[in-house]
Amino acid sequence: DAMVIQNPRYQVTQFGKPVTLSCSQTLNHNVMYWYQQKSSQAPKLLFHYYDKDFNNEADTPDNFQSRRPNTSFCFLDIRSPGLGDAAMYLCATSRDLAGPSNEQFFGPGTRLTVL
Amino acid sequence: QKEVEQNSGPLSVPEGAIASLNCTYSDRVSQSFFWYRQYSGKSPELIMSIYSNGDKEDGRFTAQLNKASQYVSLLIRDSQPSDSATYLCAVIASSGSARQLTFGSGTQLTVLP
Repeated sequence: DAMVIQNPRYQVTQFGKPVTLSCSQTLNHNVMYWYQQKSSQAPKLLFHYYDKDFNNEADTPDNFQSRRPNTSFCFLDIRSPGLGDAAMYLCATSRDLAGPSNEQFFGPGTRLTVL
Repeated sequence: QKEVEQNSGPLSVPEGAIASLNCTYSDRVSQSFFWYRQYSGKSPELIMSIYSNGDKEDGRFTAQLNKASQYVSLLIRDSQPSDSATYLCAVIASSGSARQLTFGSGTQLTVLP
C-alpha cells in the first residue's frame, strides 16, 4: 500500500544534542511537509518542499532545518533541541499545492522527548 | 481573530446519534476544506475534503460547505464509539505564499455506548 513512513516513531535526545527525523513516501507526491504538534494543540507547519523547492514558514526557528535528497525522502534536523522542542513531529505529503490535488496525508509521526 | 475556529467541545453524543461538528474560517477566498480525525497519540487522518458549496457524502460522513457564510461542517451519522476522537477542521487559503493548511483547534467527540 502507498503510504507515508516516519522513523523513528519515538526519539529521545538530550538537551542540545542534534537529532534527525526521517520521512519517506511511496505515493510519489510532489509536496512534503513537516509539522510540529504539541499536546492539545493543532499541528503547526514548519516548512514544506515542492519538489526541490524549499519553503520555510516565517516563524520557524533557525534551529529547525530540512533536507529532501530525492522525491521519496525528507529529513527534519533539529540542530540544538531545547526542552520546548519536545513534541510530535508529523510528516505529510500531497500531490500538488492546488486543489483538488492538495489533500495532505500524514505519516504516523515521531514523538520527540528532550531530556 | 483566529483564521479557523471550531467549537472546542467536548461534544458527547449517544451511540447511533448524529454528531454535528462546525467550523468557521476568516479568509473569504479560501478554496480547500478538510476534516481530519485524530485519535489520542496518533497522527491526523484525512476523512473528508470538500471544494465546492453544498454537501459531500462518504459513507456515514457528510461535509457541508457554505462559502458565503464561511462555514464548513461535518455530520457523522449513526455515531459509533470508535468515532470518539478529536476532529480537526483545516483550510487552505488561496492567499499567502505557501498556501498552507491552517487547522482549527479541534473538537473532541465522545460517542457514548
